[in-house]
Amino acid sequence: DQQVKQNSPSLSVQEGRISILNCDYTNSMFDYFLWYKKYPAEGPTFLISISSIKDKNEDGRFTVFLNKSAKHLSLHIVPSQPGDSAVYFCAASYNYGQNFVFGPGTRLSVLP
Amino acid sequence: GAVVSQHPSWVICKSGTSVKIECRSLDFQATTMFWYRQFPKQSLMLMATSNEGSKATYEQGVEKDKFLINHASLTLSTLTVTSAHPEDSSFYICSARTGGYVVQYFGPGTRLTVT
Repeated sequence: DQQVKQNSPSLSVQEGRISILNCDYTNSMFDYFLWYKKYPAEGPTFLISISSIKDKNEDGRFTVFLNKSAKHLSLHIVPSQPGDSAVYFCAASYNYGQNFVFGPGTRLSVLP
Repeated sequence: GAVVSQHPSWVICKSGTSVKIECRSLDFQATTMFWYRQFPKQSLMLMATSNEGSKATYEQGVEKDKFLINHASLTLSTLTVTSAHPEDSSFYICSARTGGYVVQYFGPGTRLTVT
């Protein structure tokens, strides 16, 4: 049973537009969430995090929104750039950072 | 900062042999290290968690006698795949974090091919 879901396996966006990647979770005990970006044959790179006491966190072009009642978070990338093309994983943990559960990932393609 | 390296980046071994993968935190002390496995087009699957100087905690379904993990120092953890079989072929990734920090920093991964 997947506790962290990313229902869109892939997403294509035009350069300069907004990319919205979604993530849903089932465990209401999750209290910390991270987004990672991964290029092929490389390890994931940390992008942005959010704790359950917040509903938004922003870092440059990246913003993460958390809706606890819906058990849903999303990553917004504005404006999207071709270098953003990668697989994006959301990860969730409870007990503030104990082992994370990763979603299956969404492949983002930003078209020039 | 927060750089994690893995060695080797790619290894081919024959069935029945053992192979060791190293994971190093280069600019911080990794009190906790994690080992993941990723199958093609799938997510990261946590195999085990290790704290420096302690025995690793393995996830359900992961054979501890097959995947030996040693976290001997605050900057080095090793994963040894013993008696490798072709089904062990995969992409193995380690991550590390320090102290009370939540974020895990990942190594570049090691592609293991067992022939």
